[in-house]
Amino acid sequence: DVKVTQSSRYLVKRTGEKVFLECVQDMDHENMFWYRQDPGLGLRLIYFSYDVKMKEKGDIPEGYSVSREKKERFSLILESASTNQTSMYLCASTRGNQETQYFGPGTRLLVL
Amino acid sequence: GQNIDQPTEMTATEGAIVQINCTYQTSGFNGLFWYQQHAGEAPTFLSYNVLDGLEEKGRFSSFLSRSKGYSYLLLKELQMKDSASYLCAVLMTTDSWGKLQFGAGTQVVVTP
Repeated sequence: DVKVTQSSRYLVKRTGEKVFLECVQDMDHENMFWYRQDPGLGLRLIYFSYDVKMKEKGDIPEGYSVSREKKERFSLILESASTNQTSMYLCASTRGNQETQYFGPGTRLLVL
Repeated sequence: GQNIDQPTEMTATEGAIVQINCTYQTSGFNGLFWYQQHAGEAPTFLSYNVLDGLEEKGRFSSFLSRSKGYSYLLLKELQMKDSASYLCAVLMTTDSWGKLQFGAGTQVVVTP
């Protein structure tokens, strides 16, 4: 059974803190993605990675960075959290083009 | 980028049929996914259309017209558990590695 896990379901942080969100997939997928989801805006792509140590900016990369040191793990980093980064963060992975993305359960982040 | 349009919300009665439309720009189109997302949960894959026509999977069917830039998801014999958000996502030829562009989602409310 396909599985994508995320390190936390809920997280509360203070403005200015550094935040790490971890995502792990057990399907040996090449491609991994980080999205944020906000009401009325749908899923917006922050960053994605198509191989270890490779990364590409998505549509809204500002204020975020990522790390992919191992194939199964893709981390999203908020260098200095701000209140406008309060959101639901979803990780996904896929084997390749024209294949479905498999999503993790999401992390609901609140920045105070 | 893509402009993917789908209605914000639809309400229907248990046992009825609901059709969720999705329109997109045809230039560079390479395929279309539908996902279901229950509140607070991850999106899950429903269907993938790359050729024109109707794909049927039990109570759910998805239709695609590439020339018209149009797809719909048809939910038949609605059940209360079908209350969820339905996401239309487009795969573009210009995007590699399974990168998708998502619509904002259609919230379907099923009433008794």
